[in-house]
Amino acid sequence: AQRVTQPEKLLSVFKGAPVELKCNYSYSGSPELFWYVQYSRQRLQLLLRHISRESIKGFTADLNKGETSFHLKKPFAQEEDSAMYYCAPLTGANSKLTFGKGITLSVRP
Amino acid sequence: DAGVTQSPTHLIKTRGQQVTLRCSPKSGHDTVSWYQQALGQGPQFIFQYYEEEERQRGNFPDRFSGHQFPNYSSELNVNALLLGDSALYLCASSRDRVINSPLHFGNGTRLTVT
Repeated sequence: AQRVTQPEKLLSVFKGAPVELKCNYSYSGSPELFWYVQYSRQRLQLLLRHISRESIKGFTADLNKGETSFHLKKPFAQEEDSAMYYCAPLTGANSKLTFGKGITLSVRP
Repeated sequence: DAGVTQSPTHLIKTRGQQVTLRCSPKSGHDTVSWYQQALGQGPQFIFQYYEEEERQRGNFPDRFSGHQFPNYSSELNVNALLLGDSALYLCASSRDRVINSPLHFGNGTRLTVT
């Protein structure tokens, strides 16, 4: 079955610590993968997409096809990174996203 | 650009009633998708509308139906409401014919069924 797994519900770190939010997927073909973020009292918004190979707000995510993973990383967490993060593969040509259950990142001062 | 707008922001209904939620897509977008987000869960895909037709559907019963209008705005209707329908309903828009066009989300409608 096609699915996306975010194995952790909560990650709590101190400011300046490295962050890795895990995402594993099980999809046939080559889905495009996204990370979406929801800050407190804001709408769900796109953080980054693997095809762009970009770094947004210091975050990067590498697609590992061998491990079928798309972990989100940041070397030095900031308090403003505290939010809910969702991994979401997009399958097919019609922009259908399938979301993981999400992980809450809490960055303490 | 106002982005994706949804109305109402909050709604309280009784079991068995019917509800209609509304969504206006981001300017330039022609595809609307609806998601249900229960407390503590990720958004679950309900269905997607393009050219005024339902193009894809998730694992939701027929009580959930929708509509898209010529101006690309959309409605989500839920009949015979159950307590389990209480959730945040998210609308997202995108552009068709743009491969892997990212979704832009609205703030959602919080539906409470009592």
